[in-house]
Amino acid sequence: ETGVTQTPRHLVMGMTNKKSLKCEQHLGHNAMYWYKQSAKKPLELMFVYSLEERVENNSVPSRFSPECPNSSHLFLHLHTLQPEDSALYLCASSQEAWGTDTQYFGPGTRLTVL
Amino acid sequence: AQSVTQLGSHVSVSEGALVLLRCNYSSSVPPYLFWYVQYPNQGLQLLLKYTSAATLVKGINGFEAEFKKSETSFHLTKPSAHMSDAAEYFCAVSVLTGGGNKLTFGTGTQLKVEL
Repeated sequence: ETGVTQTPRHLVMGMTNKKSLKCEQHLGHNAMYWYKQSAKKPLELMFVYSLEERVENNSVPSRFSPECPNSSHLFLHLHTLQPEDSALYLCASSQEAWGTDTQYFGPGTRLTVL
Repeated sequence: AQSVTQLGSHVSVSEGALVLLRCNYSSSVPPYLFWYVQYPNQGLQLLLKYTSAATLVKGINGFEAEFKKSETSFHLTKPSAHMSDAAEYFCAVSVLTGGGNKLTFGTGTQLKVEL
């Protein structure tokens, strides 16, 4: 695998389910990000991690819980979601969290909440 | 706070014609500016970025963008469109904060290329 990978690519869940999104980067980067992409809206930054430490939580509801066990892996744990949470969730990584380093994106997980 | 405005959510050009996608930014400090492209069912791919060096930035696939401070613009151009350029294009501005390198994206422009 190369670049940034995300699993699953598609996920359908009920409002009472608990699921997790996984992101893995094979680039040796130190920073990882979660973004939400909804139709007709700009990409929204959700979380930023630098060397496994969360450095930004962009006012995201607590039903989204990130986890970064090491610099290569990032998870987004989901529970009791709402239909408006349906979106494409993108993971990205960059060499460092500070600076002008390019962010490299994964293909995303298309989430549908019923 | 920084922001990005992309004029035109949909742009249609003929194959071989000039591509011009508009981006205006707002930032209280010198910005870093990016253009990303997203093909269907894929993540975002960097086309080019401006980091205060040359104002004319050349990217991949024949695209380029010019930073104009007086106009607060960073428009994306390509002299001759190809069918494979059909995708969604996002302009983004980055300003360093205590929370790291935060990218703020525009709403995107869908480019359609017609025969």
